[in-house]
Amino acid sequence: GAGVSQSPSNKVTEKGKDVELRCDPISGHTALYWYRQRLGQGLEFLIYFQGNSAPDKSGLPSDRFSAERTGESVSTLTIQRTQQEDSAVYLCASSPDRVKVYEQYFGPGTRLTVT
Amino acid sequence: TQLLEQSPQFLSIQEGENLTVYCNSSSVFSSLQWYRQEPGEGPVLLVTVVTGGEVKKLKRLTFQFGDARKDSSLHITAAQPGDTGLYLCAGASTRRGSTLGRLYFGRGTQLTVWP
Repeated sequence: GAGVSQSPSNKVTEKGKDVELRCDPISGHTALYWYRQRLGQGLEFLIYFQGNSAPDKSGLPSDRFSAERTGESVSTLTIQRTQQEDSAVYLCASSPDRVKVYEQYFGPGTRLTVT
Repeated sequence: TQLLEQSPQFLSIQEGENLTVYCNSSSVFSSLQWYRQEPGEGPVLLVTVVTGGEVKKLKRLTFQFGDARKDSSLHITAAQPGDTGLYLCAGASTRRGSTLGRLYFGRGTQLTVWP
């Protein structure tokens, strides 16, 4: 079946511009996560959506970052007024349900380059 | 503060050698997972361990969960170049204040196996 998909796969933007990254989770998965991965680094948690519960936004690095999810479908991560330090791969993952939340399925990521 | 500490951070070995990577914490986890990430792709789940003392084998890979559920190890026998990648451990924390369903990732061990 279809896995997690993300778009665009690559994004180059100028400093100060806004960008929007999209994640399509696996159909039926209730949980959705966004992570940031800088070159050669591990995963940095950004935000977690679980069904209709309030999202865990504790990992968002600044108020320039925001994310939305409509129901249990698509999510968008928006970065306003991008800075060079925002350059990274942004990974999205989804999980089947609250019981099996440890089974995270990752998308291929969006590589963001801020010039 | 990193909840899960992985060591070593980098490991470079010759084909055929054995290796062990470690994932340690002062916190207790209800479950712990290992992922492998190859360049340009998202992490892929290798195994989940949930019981203290549990040992799981996946071909040449052996995963162990500590008795106290605070640490884990991954042992690879007769490493091959195809084992090259970033190995990440991740845990579902039982610590007060942690979010149900959220996984906490270590920074990863970058393994390179030379032919």
